Amino acid sequence: DTEVTQTPKHLVMGMTNKKSLKCEQHMGHRAMYWYKQKAKKPPELMFVYSYEKLSINESVPSRFSPECPNSSLLNLHLHALQPEDSALYLCASSQVTEGQGAGEQFFGPGTRLTVL
Amino acid sequence: GEDVEQSLFLSVREGDSSVINCTYTDSSSTYLYWYKQEPGAGLQLLTYIFSNMDMKQDQRLTVLLNKKDKHLSLRIADTQTGDSAIYFCAETPSGKLIFGQGTTLQVKP
Repeated sequence: DTEVTQTPKHLVMGMTNKKSLKCEQHMGHRAMYWYKQKAKKPPELMFVYSYEKLSINESVPSRFSPECPNSSLLNLHLHALQPEDSALYLCASSQVTEGQGAGEQFFGPGTRLTVL
Repeated sequence: GEDVEQSLFLSVREGDSSVINCTYTDSSSTYLYWYKQEPGAGLQLLTYIFSNMDMKQDQRLTVLLNKKDKHLSLRIADTQTGDSAIYFCAETPSGKLIFGQGTTLQVKP
């Protein structure tokens, strides 16, 4: 199984809502990532988890809260978002976060988020 | 510094070769990558090259690396309509993937 799954595919939320994005992989990868991608732009790294511990937070606002309950699951909790947070949120995984393995990432199809 | 640059758009006819170019600034990158993103989908790793190599071939894909000029290219032979997508080059100088802006490849029948 070389698939990274993400749910939901689409999400529309108001600025006062609380929602969560979910990501799952069963490749035994020990690194998992959240990216944000705006239209016609490259993905921007948000968070990196390595061995279930947060290793990188790219100065993301606290209205985005990541969680890694176990080595296969990654969540992104959303609260009090702004319309400019509307984007495609991509999850990815890799075997490790060092060397060649860091760049060999498997991406999920993303969650298309719209904040009203 | 970390900066990866690509041209934004390339249009070719089906059956022709496509060449997508990329320049990067961080010479400490040990590996360089090419990712493909089809409309409405996530990114897919196409190929990568180790920095001590000049060329890598994988079926229709050829990657050329000029380390002196920090220039990377991806050649797609016999381009098909299914190759229409956005292509990102990327480096990992600090363990994080740094992407270029992406080149949109349009393949005309």
